[in-house]
Amino acid sequence: AQKVTQAQTEISVVEKEDVTLDCVYETRDTTYYLFWYKQPPSGELVFLIRRNSFDEQNEISGRYSWNFQKSTSSFNFTITASQVVDSAVYFCALSEASIGTASKLTFGTGTRLQVTL
Amino acid sequence: GAVVSQHPSWVICKSGTSVKIECRSLDFQATTMFWYRQFPKQSLMLMATSNEGSKATYEQGVEKDKFLINHASLTLSTLTVTSAHPEDSSFYICSARVGSSYEQYFGPGTRLTVT
Repeated sequence: AQKVTQAQTEISVVEKEDVTLDCVYETRDTTYYLFWYKQPPSGELVFLIRRNSFDEQNEISGRYSWNFQKSTSSFNFTITASQVVDSAVYFCALSEASIGTASKLTFGTGTRLQVTL
Repeated sequence: GAVVSQHPSWVICKSGTSVKIECRSLDFQATTMFWYRQFPKQSLMLMATSNEGSKATYEQGVEKDKFLINHASLTLSTLTVTSAHPEDSSFYICSARVGSSYEQYFGPGTRLTVT
C-alpha cells in the first residue's frame, strides 16, 4: 500500500522568507509518480508539478523548487521569497503506475502555509 | 486545455433528500473520472473510480448505494448523494484522466451542506 506523509501541519512565515514543505512517501512500486498541488481558500486544486520515479533531477520554476531524493523517499518543495499569495494548503500526492491501479492518487494530509506581511 | 467543470459549485439540501453533482470534461474525453471527498481541514480521500460505460469501483468504506456514480459519456460523470445526512456535508471534488495518462485534471469542487 502506498502512503504519503506530510509531517508539517501548519507553517507560518513572514513574507520574503524561504520555506520548505516536506513530503515523505512509501510505495512498493519501482515506477510511480509524485505530485504537488496547491489548494487556495477557494478550494480548487492547482497542479504544481509531476515527477516520475526515474527522474531524480531537481526542478526549479520561478520561486518554486523541488528536491526529489529516492534514497530517502522524499519529495520536498521549497518556496523562495514567499509572498502572501502563497498562503494555501499544499498537498503532496503519489500515484503508482502498476497495471490495474488506474492511476489512483494518494494524498498526504497537507501543509497549511500562512505567509504574513 | 484540460478543463474540468463541476455543477453546482455549492448546494444546501435538507436531510433525507438526494442531490446530484455533475462533473464534465470540457475540452477532452475522459475515459476515467475520480470522485474525492474532503472534510474541513482534512485531506482528499478517494471515494470511487468510474470508467465510461461501466460500473464504478468504490473504495473500501464508501457505500455504493448511498453514493451513486454514473459515467454515461466520455465527458460527463455524476455523483448522487442519496438520502443525505448532515455527516455527508463535505467538499466533493472530481477529476478526469485522459486515456492511460497519469495526469488527473481536477474540477473546482462542490461544497455540499446538509441541514
